[in-house]
Amino acid sequence: AQSVTQLDSHVSVSEGTPVLLRCNYSSSYSPSLFWYVQHPNKGLQLLLKYTSAATLVKGINGFEAEFKKSETSFHLTKPSAHMSDAAEYFCVVILDNYGQNFVFGPGTRLSVLP
Amino acid sequence: DTEVTQTPKHLVMGMTNKKSLKCEQHMGHRAMYWYKQKAKKPPELMFVYSYEKLSINESVPSRFSPECPNSSLLNLHLHALQPEDSALYLCASSQNAGGNQPQHFGDGTRLSIL
Repeated sequence: AQSVTQLDSHVSVSEGTPVLLRCNYSSSYSPSLFWYVQHPNKGLQLLLKYTSAATLVKGINGFEAEFKKSETSFHLTKPSAHMSDAAEYFCVVILDNYGQNFVFGPGTRLSVLP
Repeated sequence: DTEVTQTPKHLVMGMTNKKSLKCEQHMGHRAMYWYKQKAKKPPELMFVYSYEKLSINESVPSRFSPECPNSSLLNLHLHALQPEDSALYLCASSQNAGGNQPQHFGDGTRLSIL
């Protein structure tokens, strides 16, 4: 079965320190993977996407993610956290060949301490 | 500002009321989606429209009735809702109905059922 796991429900970092949000997936074929961010009372904003091109994907706001097939992982990183990065982050895999069915991970809440 | 516009932003209704949620996009996308999101949870897929035809209905109760009048508009008609239907309702769109296209989300309608 295809699924997405986000290992940490909550991550807390200090401003200016690195961010690591972990995502592992299970898929029977080469997946398409996305990271979305959701600020309070807002919709989901696309941070970056992996669609079988370069394994290191750069996104908006200084975020990037590396696709590692051998580890079935797609972890999100940022070198230096800003206060504005505090939000909920969702890792998403496309479930089927038709690409219509997004499978969301449970989410990781990122807190950034001053 | 998001490219998917949802109205209203907030809606309070009684269990006997009839109301509608509206979603609009002008990106030329041919797939549109309704999601329901409860607090501290990922979005749950409700409906998918592909080229203005309903292609996926995730066993949603009939008190929710979707409608896609044209390629830019998506409505969700509500009738006789229950308190447990209180949630954030998100609309999304993607370029095509298949493939690995990312979905673009609106900011949602916060629905409260009295």
